[in-house]
Amino acid sequence: AQSVAQPEDQVNVAEGNPLTVKCTYSVSGNPYLFWYVQYPNRGLQFLLKYITGDNLVKGSYGFEAEFNKSQTSFHLKKPSALVSDSALYFCAVRADTGRRALTFGSGTRLQVQP
Amino acid sequence: NAGVTQTPKFQVLKTGQSMTLQCAQDMNHEYMSWYRQDPGMGLRLIHYSVGAGITDQGEVPNGYNVSRSTTEDFPLRLLSAAPSQTSVYFCASSYSAPGLANYGYTFGSGTRLTVV
Repeated sequence: AQSVAQPEDQVNVAEGNPLTVKCTYSVSGNPYLFWYVQYPNRGLQFLLKYITGDNLVKGSYGFEAEFNKSQTSFHLKKPSALVSDSALYFCAVRADTGRRALTFGSGTRLQVQP
Repeated sequence: NAGVTQTPKFQVLKTGQSMTLQCAQDMNHEYMSWYRQDPGMGLRLIHYSVGAGITDQGEVPNGYNVSRSTTEDFPLRLLSAAPSQTSVYFCASSYSAPGLANYGYTFGSGTRLTVV
């Protein structure tokens, strides 16, 4: 079975500071990894993905994530946080074979203070 | 606009009533799925389909039925609504081939369901 852990329910950061939202995963085979963001009363918006290739993935709105196979992690990062980044962030994984369903983490609420 | 369309956006049901949540996509995606989102639990997979005529169960299928008669549509049916099915429901679709540059899962805007 595949699983995702987002160990922090909430992350607080001051505007202009770097931010990190943590994600670790468990999957049989090679992982496909995704980050999504959800604003209040909205659907999920795609931020970035890792399928294969470079371990550092750059995505929308200045976000990036680093795939670390040995630590089974895919932490989301941004060099300088904006107040508008405040939202709920989800990490998701699926295996490269078999069922194509995404398994999501429980989500991390990012609060950026002015 | 291309994407995943869910209807209705809001619904209130009485316990025991049945209803169908609609999901349609116009991107010719082979894969479609239904999730429910509950506070603190992320999104949990209800049912999914890898193509027309093919469906399978996810993590939390009890109380829900699906069918996939066309590539475009993937309705979710609640057979006899229960308060435990109060949730926000999301439909998602994707291509089958991860090698495509635009590979990813596109989500609808959700249906907020309350069962009283």
